[in-house]
Amino acid sequence: NAGVTQTPKFQVLKTGQSMTLQCAQDMNHNSMYWYRQDPGMGLRLIYYSASEGTTDKGEVPNGYNVSRLNKREFSLRLESAAPSQTSVYFCASSTLVGYEQYFGPGTRLTVT
Amino acid sequence: AQSVTQLDSQVPVFEEAPVELRCNYSSSVSVYLFWYVQYPNQGLQLLLKYLSGSTLVESINGFEAEFNKSQTSFHLRKPSVHISDTAEYFCAVSTVRGGSEKLVFGKGTKLTVNP
Repeated sequence: NAGVTQTPKFQVLKTGQSMTLQCAQDMNHNSMYWYRQDPGMGLRLIYYSASEGTTDKGEVPNGYNVSRLNKREFSLRLESAAPSQTSVYFCASSTLVGYEQYFGPGTRLTVT
Repeated sequence: AQSVTQLDSQVPVFEEAPVELRCNYSSSVSVYLFWYVQYPNQGLQLLLKYLSGSTLVESINGFEAEFNKSQTSFHLRKPSVHISDTAEYFCAVSTVRGGSEKLVFGKGTKLTVNP
């Protein structure tokens, strides 16, 4: 099993460009999450999907959109990237919300 | 809503010394507790978890944590650390409420093991 996979691993964008971060899990988990990690800030939840067909805002949703494409895949879209969105983005999944989460390797995004 | 406090943002220790990383939580209901480890340039990995039963839980690499309900704590300990334990450690809590409450993470403790 690959677990949780994320693409791309690295990305550099110019201010105003758009992009989609992809995440997939092969553990048949119901719930999926997107976090950003910044120095000294810990992990901050952007959006999550408790089950296929549902999405909810987390702590820092502004500037992002998500799509739960199917049970396996959960994408994060930046419509108009800003330097403040420079961060490392992690996708995670769990059997249910509140249970242990399994993380992907992360995407390092730089917006210039 | 629950919250998690990791009291130390950085903990430097020498190799083979004992270490304790502190975690306190606040919740008025029963909780699940987790410790995650993040090695440099990697994602988070589950280190150990407390769901119910024995209050002392152990990981395969020598770490242990004890759930203390009266102190609302879940401190992580290791009696003798290795250079390879250098990483950032995150404590997390969720409430036992039919799986409807999200995990809440602490801000992390960076453990640096020096030779």
